[in-house]
Amino acid sequence: ILNVEQSPQSLHVQEGDSTNFTCSFPSSNFYALHWYRWETAKSPEALFVMTLNGDEKKKGRISATLNTKEGYSYLYIKGSQPEDSATYLCAFRGSQGNLIFGKGTKLSVKP
Amino acid sequence: ETGVTQSPTHLIKTRGQQVTLRCSSQSGHNTVSWYQQALGQGPQFIFQYYREEENGRGNFPPRFSGLQFPNYSSELNVNALELDDSALYLCASSLGARQDDADGYTFGSGTRLTVV
Repeated sequence: ILNVEQSPQSLHVQEGDSTNFTCSFPSSNFYALHWYRWETAKSPEALFVMTLNGDEKKKGRISATLNTKEGYSYLYIKGSQPEDSATYLCAFRGSQGNLIFGKGTKLSVKP
Repeated sequence: ETGVTQSPTHLIKTRGQQVTLRCSSQSGHNTVSWYQQALGQGPQFIFQYYREEENGRGNFPPRFSGLQFPNYSSELNVNALELDDSALYLCASSLGARQDDADGYTFGSGTRLTVV
């Protein structure tokens, strides 16, 4: 059984704080690691797809790193804003093309 | 360019009934996958359709079935509904069955099914 673990489960920060979350996944048979941002009542939105060990990707104030040998990825948000409040999901892509999701990290940013 | 559209947004059914959920994939995408998100869990893979054929399935019983149409839209059918089928059902589309699209998968906003 392939497990994807995310921590922390939830996070409350003040506007302007920087924060980071962790995603742990199986280090064998790696294909890709996806990060999604999911606001309440909306669709999950793709942030990053990472495929190579050592990958670092950035989109505005959000960045992610990937270590496939030890099976983890970090997502960083610099200078959090209230509009960053959402659930952040990571997903390990399986051999069928399916995504194996973690339970997500729920971020709340207070103004 | 349109995104993924799911219908209905909410649905209440009685135990033992059957339900059909619908998904229109993003323009240009030929692969559709369905996920079930129960309360407190991450989305769980149900199955995937590529060019009208099922080409991957998660750990769900046969009463969960699907279809993909020539225009790549899709249906998820669930027979003999059980209380535990109450969940958010998400549809995602992509170009290719195993490609790692640099943009990720495009998700709909889901159908909330309640079984009473």
